[in-house]
Amino acid sequence: GENVEQHPSTLSVQEGDSAVIKCTYSDSASNYFPWYKQELGKRPQLIIDIRSNVGEKKDQRIAVTLNKTAKHFSLHITETQPEDSAVYFCAASKSARQLTFGSGTQLTVLP
Amino acid sequence: EAGVTQFPSHSVIEKGQTVTLRCDPISGHDNLYWYRRVMGKEIKFLLHFVKESKQDESGMPNNRFLAERTGGTYSTLKVQPAELEDSGVYFCASSLRTGGNTGELFFGEGSRLTVL
Repeated sequence: GENVEQHPSTLSVQEGDSAVIKCTYSDSASNYFPWYKQELGKRPQLIIDIRSNVGEKKDQRIAVTLNKTAKHFSLHITETQPEDSAVYFCAASKSARQLTFGSGTQLTVLP
Repeated sequence: EAGVTQFPSHSVIEKGQTVTLRCDPISGHDNLYWYRRVMGKEIKFLLHFVKESKQDESGMPNNRFLAERTGGTYSTLKVQPAELEDSGVYFCASSLRTGGNTGELFFGEGSRLTVL
């Protein structure tokens, strides 16, 4: 089955700096790659996603890149703010049925 | 519109006892999923309902776990008897879209289970 590795497990950045979280996946048939953000005590929420027919997608300060050949994808957050502090999960899927998640990255933005 | 709701938010039970978790998906969402996050690890898939039918239960750990979705609305996940390794946060999620494209999953806030 699919296996998703996520790094780093923790990441601290100064406010205003950029943050990058990287994930690799094992199943070349995976075609959907969402990113979820979970703030402390709250539910995971989708922040951005990308499909395998696209190499990059951007939404304001958040961008995701996908390298299908290398089977890895990354989340980029620019101009980080304290409210970006949360746990971020990447995931991969090849069907409408289930997502395989990474182990999460605790991002802390220091003021 | 109400989001996915889960109950209870936290349950503390002793080993060997039974616990039933409930999930109410977003109205109109045929797809309902159960996931679990144990000890700060990844969120792992447990099973997937389409309406009242189990579409995929390949992630269920063992036969101590029983999920139901009678009538295709809310779902319950029963753990009986509970073991220490069952501790974790159980997330329910629902989605609207079916077919070839994965629809966005909307998560509940989770039910934290602590087995002592």
